[in-house]
Amino acid sequence: DVKVTQSSRYLVKRTGEKVFLECVQDMDHENMFWYRQDPGLGLRLIYFSYDVKMKEKGDIPEGYSVSREKKERFSLILESASTNQTSMYLCASSHRERNTEAFFGQGTRLTVV
Amino acid sequence: GDSVTQMEGPVTLSEEAFLTINCTYTATGYPSLFWYVQYPGEGLQLLLKATKADDKGSNKGFEATYRKETTSFHLEKGSVQVSDSAVYFCALSGSGGYQKVTFGTGTKLQVIP
Repeated sequence: DVKVTQSSRYLVKRTGEKVFLECVQDMDHENMFWYRQDPGLGLRLIYFSYDVKMKEKGDIPEGYSVSREKKERFSLILESASTNQTSMYLCASSHRERNTEAFFGQGTRLTVV
Repeated sequence: GDSVTQMEGPVTLSEEAFLTINCTYTATGYPSLFWYVQYPGEGLQLLLKATKADDKGSNKGFEATYRKETTSFHLEKGSVQVSDSAVYFCALSGSGGYQKVTFGTGTKLQVIP
């Protein structure tokens, strides 16, 4: 069974902390994505990566950074967590070829207090 | 840029009712179109897809037809079940580089017995 695995289902962090969200995929996909999901706003793309060490900003990159040192792993970093970053974070991956769907992890519910 | 607009929810239906969730899109070129479903407490999973004009995607009794002339990809099911209660997302994968996926805001469906 193909899998995208996020390291935590639930996280509670304090304002100002540095937070790492980890995502691993076992499908040898080139593309990996980080989205945040908020009620009424759908999924908004934070960053995506199309190859190792390559990254592109999505629609809402402010306050976030990413790291992709290995093909299977894509990390989202909150440099200094703030309460407005409380959200559900979803990782996804896909093949580089057109028309292929993205596969999603189960999500990480992050609460910043 | 690319965008997806889908009808706002929540949608409440009785079991065995007919379902339509409207979705329209704006994109350059020839995007691929998707419907994803998110069950409570889970990540997104692909429901169906269509990759070119007039294609019909179908799965689990759900259908959607890629209509280029109306830039639409409406989701339909003839007889919904309680187990179909979930949030449904319309999405497109642009024809530009890196297959960035753009999502609508999601439509919550509740089916009551």
